[in-house]
Amino acid sequence: GAGVSQTPSNKVTEKGKYVELRCDPISGHTALYWYRQSLGQGPEFLIYFQGTGAADDSGLPNDRFFAVRPEGSVSTLKIQRTERGDSAVYLCASSYGRGVGTDTQYFGPGTRLTVL
Amino acid sequence: GDSVTQMEGPVTLSEEAFLTINCTYTATGYPSLFWYVQYPGEGLQLLLKATKADDKGSNKGFEATYRKETTSFHLEKGSVQVSDSAVYFCALSQGGSEKLVFGKGTKLTVNP
Repeated sequence: GAGVSQTPSNKVTEKGKYVELRCDPISGHTALYWYRQSLGQGPEFLIYFQGTGAADDSGLPNDRFFAVRPEGSVSTLKIQRTERGDSAVYLCASSYGRGVGTDTQYFGPGTRLTVL
Repeated sequence: GDSVTQMEGPVTLSEEAFLTINCTYTATGYPSLFWYVQYPGEGLQLLLKATKADDKGSNKGFEATYRKETTSFHLEKGSVQVSDSAVYFCALSQGGSEKLVFGKGTKLTVNP
């Protein structure tokens, strides 16, 4: 079946602009995760949704970052007043949400964000 | 806080060589441990996992054993193939938390 999809695959923006990154999880997966991967680093957790609600947003770096999942499926990560340091690959993952030791997180291909 | 340390890469091996990629962790309690792999042009995918001490995860000829006494989860494969060329990430997750904490990754290149 279809995996996790993310759009756009690449996004180039200018410093100070607003961007939205979209994630379509695997059908039936109730849990959705956002991670950020900077060059030469491993993915870094940002936020986790269970259904429509953000169950853990402890990884969001500051209040310029916000994510929503209004119908419990598609999620949008929103970044306001982008900075050059926001340049990274943003990864989305989804799972059945019964616990990370039980259910595998399936990752999408990522959105490469470049802030000029 | 919780953290994962992987051996520095890149690692270059010849086909059929033995592979070890070291991974150690720092965590309170008893985390679950994972190895993820990212093949060129593809997304991250789970390779294997272990959820309690002394468990051995295995998949595609790769193995890793959860060693609580040394806080390690080293990845091994007896005979690598060119198709194993990828970036390998060690990760952990604490009980009650859904988030994965990743190491920096180790790039493996296998030459024919």
